[in-house]
Amino acid sequence: EVQLVESGGGLVQPGGSLRVSCAASGFTFNTYWMSWVRQAPGKGLEWVANIKKDGKEINYVDSVKGRFTISRDNAKNSLYLQMNSLRVEDTAVYYCASGGWLDYWGQGTLVTVSS
Amino acid sequence: DIQMTQSPSSLSASVGDRVTITCRASQGIRNDLGWFQQKPGKAPKRLIYAASTLQSGVPSRFSGSGSGTEFTLTISCLQPEDFATYYCLQYKTYPYTFGQGTKLEIK
Repeated sequence: EVQLVESGGGLVQPGGSLRVSCAASGFTFNTYWMSWVRQAPGKGLEWVANIKKDGKEINYVDSVKGRFTISRDNAKNSLYLQMNSLRVEDTAVYYCASGGWLDYWGQGTLVTVSS
Repeated sequence: DIQMTQSPSSLSASVGDRVTITCRASQGIRNDLGWFQQKPGKAPKRLIYAASTLQSGVPSRFSGSGSGTEFTLTISCLQPEDFATYYCLQYKTYPYTFGQGTKLEIK
Protein backbone atom coordinates (compact mmCIF):
# COMPACT_ATOMS: atom_id res chain seq x y z
CA GLU A 1 0.00 0.00 0.00
CA VAL A 2 1.34 3.41 -1.00
CA GLN A 3 1.91 5.68 2.00
CA LEU A 4 3.07 9.28 1.93
CA VAL A 5 3.50 11.04 5.26
CA GLU A 6 4.31 14.73 5.39
CA SER A 7 5.88 16.44 8.37
CA GLY A 8 7.60 19.66 9.33
CA GLY A 9 4.78 22.16 9.01
CA GLY A 10 4.21 24.88 11.56
CA LEU A 11 4.04 28.60 12.25
CA VAL A 12 6.77 30.81 10.80
CA GLN A 13 7.14 34.57 10.51
CA PRO A 14 7.16 36.33 7.14
CA GLY A 15 10.66 36.18 5.68
CA GLY A 16 11.44 33.01 7.59
CA SER A 17 12.32 29.51 6.43
CA LEU A 18 10.88 26.04 6.89
CA ARG A 19 11.56 22.60 5.48
CA VAL A 20 8.75 20.12 5.03
CA SER A 21 9.40 16.44 4.42
CA CYS A 22 7.53 13.51 2.95
CA ALA A 23 8.32 9.91 3.90
CA ALA A 24 7.31 7.42 1.23
CA SER A 25 6.64 3.70 1.47
CA GLY A 26 4.81 0.95 -0.37
CA PHE A 27 6.32 1.63 -3.79
CA THR A 28 9.72 1.86 -5.44
CA PHE A 29 10.44 5.48 -4.64
CA ASN A 30 13.43 5.93 -6.95
CA THR A 31 11.37 5.03 -10.03
CA TYR A 32 8.78 7.80 -9.55
CA TRP A 33 8.69 11.51 -10.14
CA MET A 34 7.48 13.25 -6.98
CA SER A 35 5.46 16.44 -6.56
CA TRP A 36 4.34 19.08 -4.08
CA VAL A 37 0.88 20.64 -4.24
CA ARG A 38 -0.54 23.23 -1.86
CA GLN A 39 -3.96 24.43 -0.81
CA ALA A 40 -4.52 27.75 0.93
CA PRO A 41 -7.29 27.73 3.57
CA GLY A 42 -10.67 27.53 1.86
CA LYS A 43 -9.12 27.71 -1.60
CA GLY A 44 -8.36 25.40 -4.51
CA LEU A 45 -5.33 23.32 -5.33
CA GLU A 46 -2.07 24.76 -6.65
CA TRP A 47 0.73 22.67 -8.14
CA VAL A 48 4.04 23.84 -6.66
CA ALA A 49 6.92 21.73 -7.95
CA ASN A 50 8.06 18.33 -9.10
CA ILE A 51 11.32 16.41 -9.34
CA LYS A 52 12.44 13.59 -11.59
CA LYS A 53 13.32 10.13 -10.27
CA ASP A 54 17.05 10.87 -10.20
CA GLY A 55 16.65 14.49 -9.13
CA LYS A 56 18.12 15.79 -12.36
CA GLU A 57 15.02 17.60 -13.61
CA ILE A 58 13.05 20.00 -11.47
CA ASN A 59 10.11 22.29 -12.23
CA TYR A 60 8.45 25.06 -10.19
CA VAL A 61 5.45 27.35 -10.39
CA ASP A 62 6.65 30.92 -10.94
CA SER A 63 5.41 32.20 -7.58
CA VAL A 64 7.94 30.06 -5.67
CA LYS A 65 10.93 30.12 -8.04
CA GLY A 66 14.06 31.35 -6.30
CA ARG A 67 12.49 30.85 -2.86
CA PHE A 68 11.56 27.14 -2.68
CA THR A 69 13.79 24.16 -3.39
CA ILE A 70 12.49 20.65 -3.97
CA SER A 71 14.86 17.76 -3.36
CA ARG A 72 14.82 14.06 -2.67
CA ASP A 73 16.91 11.40 -0.97
CA ASN A 74 16.27 8.10 -2.71
CA ALA A 75 18.28 6.20 -0.09
CA LYS A 76 15.84 7.43 2.56
CA ASN A 77 12.68 7.29 0.40
CA SER A 78 12.11 10.93 1.24
CA LEU A 79 11.03 14.09 -0.51
CA TYR A 80 11.69 17.59 0.77
CA LEU A 81 10.59 21.16 0.17
CA GLN A 82 12.86 23.87 1.54
CA MET A 83 10.92 27.11 1.75
CA ASN A 84 12.79 30.40 2.21
CA SER A 85 11.66 34.02 2.23
CA LEU A 86 8.20 32.86 3.19
CA ARG A 87 5.25 35.17 2.58
CA VAL A 88 1.81 35.33 4.14
CA GLU A 89 0.39 34.05 0.86
CA ASP A 90 2.42 30.84 1.20
CA THR A 91 0.12 29.81 4.06
CA ALA A 92 -1.38 26.49 2.97
CA VAL A 93 -1.58 22.78 3.51
CA TYR A 94 1.32 21.26 1.60
CA TYR A 95 0.74 17.84 0.08
CA CYS A 96 3.30 15.53 -1.43
CA ALA A 97 2.14 13.31 -4.25
CA SER A 98 3.70 10.42 -6.08
CA GLY A 99 4.22 10.50 -9.80
CA GLY A 100 4.29 13.38 -12.20
CA TRP A 101 0.54 12.97 -12.57
CA LEU A 102 -0.21 12.98 -8.82
CA ASP A 103 -1.16 9.32 -8.47
CA TYR A 104 -1.30 9.14 -4.66
CA TRP A 105 -1.27 11.89 -2.02
CA GLY A 106 -0.22 12.27 1.57
CA GLN A 107 -2.45 13.77 4.24
CA GLY A 108 -0.70 17.14 4.10
CA THR A 109 1.10 19.39 6.55
CA LEU A 110 -0.04 22.91 7.42
CA VAL A 111 2.36 25.80 6.98
CA THR A 112 1.22 29.09 8.48
CA VAL A 113 3.14 32.27 7.71
CA SER A 114 2.13 35.01 10.09
CA SER A 115 3.60 37.57 12.41
CA ASP B 1 0.22 29.41 -18.34
CA ILE B 2 -2.67 27.19 -19.40
CA GLN B 3 -5.91 28.22 -17.73
CA MET B 4 -8.36 25.50 -16.73
CA THR B 5 -11.97 26.60 -16.38
CA GLN B 6 -14.41 24.27 -14.66
CA SER B 7 -18.17 24.51 -14.82
CA PRO B 8 -20.29 24.66 -12.91
CA SER B 9 -18.55 25.99 -9.77
CA SER B 10 -21.20 24.30 -7.67
CA LEU B 11 -23.90 21.77 -8.31
CA SER B 12 -26.80 20.39 -6.27
CA ALA B 13 -27.95 16.88 -7.07
CA SER B 14 -29.73 13.90 -5.53
CA VAL B 15 -28.60 10.36 -4.87
CA GLY B 16 -29.10 8.39 -8.07
CA ASP B 17 -28.71 11.38 -10.39
CA ARG B 18 -26.31 11.51 -13.32
CA VAL B 19 -24.06 14.56 -13.21
CA THR B 20 -21.49 16.01 -15.57
CA ILE B 21 -18.69 18.45 -14.80
CA THR B 22 -16.85 20.22 -17.60
CA CYS B 23 -13.29 21.46 -17.77
CA ARG B 24 -12.03 23.70 -20.58
CA ALA B 25 -8.38 24.39 -21.30
CA SER B 26 -7.19 27.71 -22.67
CA GLN B 27 -5.12 25.81 -25.24
CA GLY B 28 -4.95 22.25 -26.46
CA ILE B 29 -3.60 19.74 -23.97
CA ARG B 30 -4.13 16.49 -25.94
CA ASN B 31 -5.46 14.11 -23.28
CA ASP B 32 -3.02 15.18 -20.54
CA LEU B 33 -5.74 15.69 -17.94
CA GLY B 34 -6.68 14.20 -14.61
CA TRP B 35 -9.71 14.43 -12.33
CA PHE B 36 -9.47 14.53 -8.53
CA GLN B 37 -12.01 14.22 -5.73
CA GLN B 38 -11.55 15.97 -2.40
CA LYS B 39 -13.71 15.56 0.68
CA PRO B 40 -13.64 18.13 3.51
CA GLY B 41 -10.50 17.89 5.62
CA LYS B 42 -9.02 15.15 3.44
CA ALA B 43 -6.34 14.91 0.80
CA PRO B 44 -7.39 14.84 -2.85
CA LYS B 45 -7.69 11.47 -4.52
CA ARG B 46 -7.10 10.88 -8.21
CA LEU B 47 -10.08 9.37 -10.04
CA ILE B 48 -9.06 9.53 -13.69
CA TYR B 49 -5.89 10.17 -15.68
CA ALA B 50 -5.16 10.52 -19.37
CA ALA B 51 -8.63 12.08 -19.61
CA SER B 52 -10.50 8.79 -19.57
CA THR B 53 -8.51 6.09 -17.74
CA LEU B 54 -10.05 5.09 -14.44
CA GLN B 55 -7.66 4.89 -11.49
CA SER B 56 -7.47 1.41 -10.00
CA GLY B 57 -10.10 0.95 -7.31
CA VAL B 58 -12.33 3.81 -8.43
CA PRO B 59 -15.96 2.80 -9.02
CA SER B 60 -17.04 2.42 -12.62
CA ARG B 61 -19.83 4.99 -12.18
CA PHE B 62 -17.07 7.57 -12.71
CA SER B 63 -16.02 8.20 -16.29
CA GLY B 64 -14.04 10.82 -18.16
CA SER B 65 -13.95 11.92 -21.75
CA GLY B 66 -12.55 14.59 -24.02
CA SER B 67 -9.41 15.67 -25.77
CA GLY B 68 -7.82 18.93 -26.84
CA THR B 69 -9.58 21.70 -24.93
CA GLU B 70 -12.83 20.25 -23.60
CA PHE B 71 -13.20 17.50 -21.04
CA THR B 72 -15.98 16.03 -18.94
CA LEU B 73 -16.26 14.02 -15.76
CA THR B 74 -19.50 12.07 -15.46
CA ILE B 75 -20.87 10.30 -12.41
CA SER B 76 -23.57 7.99 -13.67
CA CYS B 77 -25.51 7.27 -10.50
CA LEU B 78 -24.61 9.48 -7.55
CA GLN B 79 -23.93 7.77 -4.25
CA PRO B 80 -23.88 9.52 -0.86
CA GLU B 81 -20.08 9.24 -0.69
CA ASP B 82 -19.69 11.15 -3.98
CA PHE B 83 -20.64 14.51 -2.51
CA ALA B 84 -17.31 16.33 -2.56
CA THR B 85 -15.31 18.88 -4.52
CA TYR B 86 -13.87 17.86 -7.88
CA TYR B 87 -10.84 19.33 -9.64
CA CYS B 88 -9.34 18.87 -13.08
CA LEU B 89 -5.58 19.15 -13.65
CA GLN B 90 -3.65 19.65 -16.89
CA TYR B 91 -0.18 18.15 -16.97
CA LYS B 92 0.78 18.83 -20.56
CA THR B 93 2.76 22.01 -19.88
CA TYR B 94 4.52 23.52 -16.88
CA PRO B 95 3.32 24.92 -14.63
CA TYR B 96 0.67 22.26 -14.18
CA THR B 97 -2.63 23.96 -13.45
CA PHE B 98 -5.85 22.96 -11.73
CA GLY B 99 -9.37 24.07 -12.42
CA GLN B 100 -10.98 26.14 -9.67
CA GLY B 101 -13.08 23.22 -8.44
CA THR B 102 -16.71 22.08 -8.58
CA LYS B 103 -18.49 21.56 -5.27
CA LEU B 104 -21.09 18.82 -5.55
CA GLU B 105 -23.74 19.13 -2.86
CA ILE B 106 -26.76 17.12 -1.85
CA LYS B 107 -30.09 18.56 -3.00
